[in-house]
Amino acid sequence: QKEVEQNSGPLSVPEGAIASLNCTYSDRGSQSFFWYRQYSGKSPELIMSIYSNGDKEDGRFTAQLNKASQYVSLLIRDSQPSDSATYLCAVNSNSGYSTLTFGKGTMLLVSP
Amino acid sequence: DAGVIQSPRHEVTEMGQEVTLRCKPISGHDYLFWYRQTMMRGLELLIYFNNNVPIDDSGMPEDRFSAKMPNASFSTLKIQPSEPRDSAVYFCASSPYRGNYGYTFGSGTRLTVV
Repeated sequence: QKEVEQNSGPLSVPEGAIASLNCTYSDRGSQSFFWYRQYSGKSPELIMSIYSNGDKEDGRFTAQLNKASQYVSLLIRDSQPSDSATYLCAVNSNSGYSTLTFGKGTMLLVSP
Repeated sequence: DAGVIQSPRHEVTEMGQEVTLRCKPISGHDYLFWYRQTMMRGLELLIYFNNNVPIDDSGMPEDRFSAKMPNASFSTLKIQPSEPRDSAVYFCASSPYRGNYGYTFGSGTRLTVV
């Protein structure tokens, strides 16, 4: 059973702070990693992907991957109230007929 | 591109009735996925298609659920008969690949069975 674990939160940060969201996964064969943002009542939206160990930056977002520790994180710098949403971690093992497995998400609340 | 299009956006039905959810994937995307999202279980994969062929339906909860993809631009998820525990948000997603580059989700159908 492939599992993706996230703290459900809510994670509360003040505007302008760095928000750190974490995710662990059970399948060591996992190859592709994604972060989705889901606003309340809306569908998940892909915001970051990462495939190799290290950091990947895109604007205010940085994804970090450590395959040895089976750990993925998302940092949001200069957090804005508009970043308040649930962030879903998704992992693909790229083996057989495997598809994306999603965590249940972490709710982020950014207060003005 | 209009993205993944789902209909209806909301569906309220009585227990025992048949429910049909519809999805139009992004043109050129060979993979189509049906997910169900609840607070308790998060996003669960129900079934996925590749080039209109069902590949893995192991996530379909029981025989009351069925899905079809008669052509590259249309898929349906049917529940017959519906039960209150089927109440959830059902998402359709499509991708040009099985999972390497993420999926694009439709806006979802919020199903309420009373």
